[in-house]
Parts: sequence; structure tokens; C-alpha cells
Amino acid sequence: DADVTQTPRNRITKTGKRIMLECSQTKGHDRMYWYRQDPGLGLRLIYYSFDVKDINKGEISDGYSVSRQAQAKFSLSLESAIPNQTALYFCATSDGGSTDTQYFGPGTRLTVL
Amino acid sequence: EDQVTQSPEALRLQEGESSSLNCSYTVSGLRGLFWYRQDPGKGPEFLFTLYSAGEEKEKERLKATLTKKESFLHITAPKPEDSATYLCAVHDGTSYGKLTFGQGTILTVHP
Repeated sequence: DADVTQTPRNRITKTGKRIMLECSQTKGHDRMYWYRQDPGLGLRLIYYSFDVKDINKGEISDGYSVSRQAQAKFSLSLESAIPNQTALYFCATSDGGSTDTQYFGPGTRLTVL
Repeated sequence: EDQVTQSPEALRLQEGESSSLNCSYTVSGLRGLFWYRQDPGKGPEFLFTLYSAGEEKEKERLKATLTKKESFLHITAPKPEDSATYLCAVHDGTSYGKLTFGQGTILTVHP
């Protein structure tokens, strides 16, 4: 079984709809991250969380919110989706140790019409 | 501001034709430089972490090296299954583990 899972894998929605993307991990890591990937722009950090009570904005948090329900679960919400939020979304985890290597989930392809 | 530039943007090789990918970076305090492989429609897969100039790491046909300003990913005798996008990222040593990614190099290996 994959260490980092994301649901759904694909989602098509309409402008103005509320969308939630979910991430679960079995790696036992405290740190979790949400990124989006756009062609030509690379991976950009949306939000990150060190533990259930510690949530922080990344470089492109406008229009997004997150919830850390448990150590293993981190959800990303789009309160009112807009077309320029069409992108690939990735969740990642790390242990915050000396290497602090981030491990990525399989991604969610979101299309906002 | 941290910056990562990868070159070339795309590279086409024949099977068995060795080559190198480049990752140039500027960062205030390098904690680590990471290489990832990404297949189409999938998440980045961790390959290597390099911490200090002069360090080298190998995995199968891949070898990563690091200097104070750049990293190279050398691919020896590539096979078609090595075709993917290779991403480079730097960790700037901040407490929250911020990674700055490059745009990636799309590698295609023809049989």
C-alpha cells in the first residue's frame, strides 16, 4: 500500500463550487504539505503543517484553506473554486529530522470549468 | 530569494547515450539539495539528497553530484524506462522545511 494517498485522483467541478481534497499518510511523519503544480511554474507550496495544532500559509495560500484532522490526515479546501485553480495538487510529508526529505502522494488532477 | 534553474528544459537521448542534467541554485543557507523523478500524472519520487559540496550519490544508472553553485545528475547508458521529468529542489534550512523547486528537465530516451 502507498505511504501517502490522495483522494480523489481526478475531479472536475464548476466555478463557485466548494471542493475538498484529502491526504492520508502511514509514514508516521508529523509534517505535511500541500503543493500545486502548473506547467511552466513548477511546484509551489500552498500550506504546511507541523502537527495538528500548527498550520501555516505557504507562498500561494489565497483562495485555499486546510484542516489537519489528525497526525495522518491533512485536507485542502477550495471554498469557491475558480478556473485558475485548475492544476495538479500534491500532498507531501516529512519527518523534520536531519534529512527532512519530503515524500509526495500520487496527486489530484483538478479541473475547474 | 532562493532560486533553482534546471537545464536543459528537455533532453532526448538514444538508449545507451550517457549525458548530464544541470541544476543551478542560489540559496541563503543550503540544508540539502534534492533530486526527484516524476512520471506523467504521478507524484514526484524521491531519488537523492546531497548536503555538501563534493558529495556524490548513486542509484543504478543515476549519479548525483554537488558543488557550491550547482548539481549534476549524470545518467549512464540510459534505458527507455529512465524517461521522466527530473526535478531539483533546495531546502534553505528554515525551520519549516521550505523547498524551492526548479522547472524540471524532461528526459526522453529512445530505444
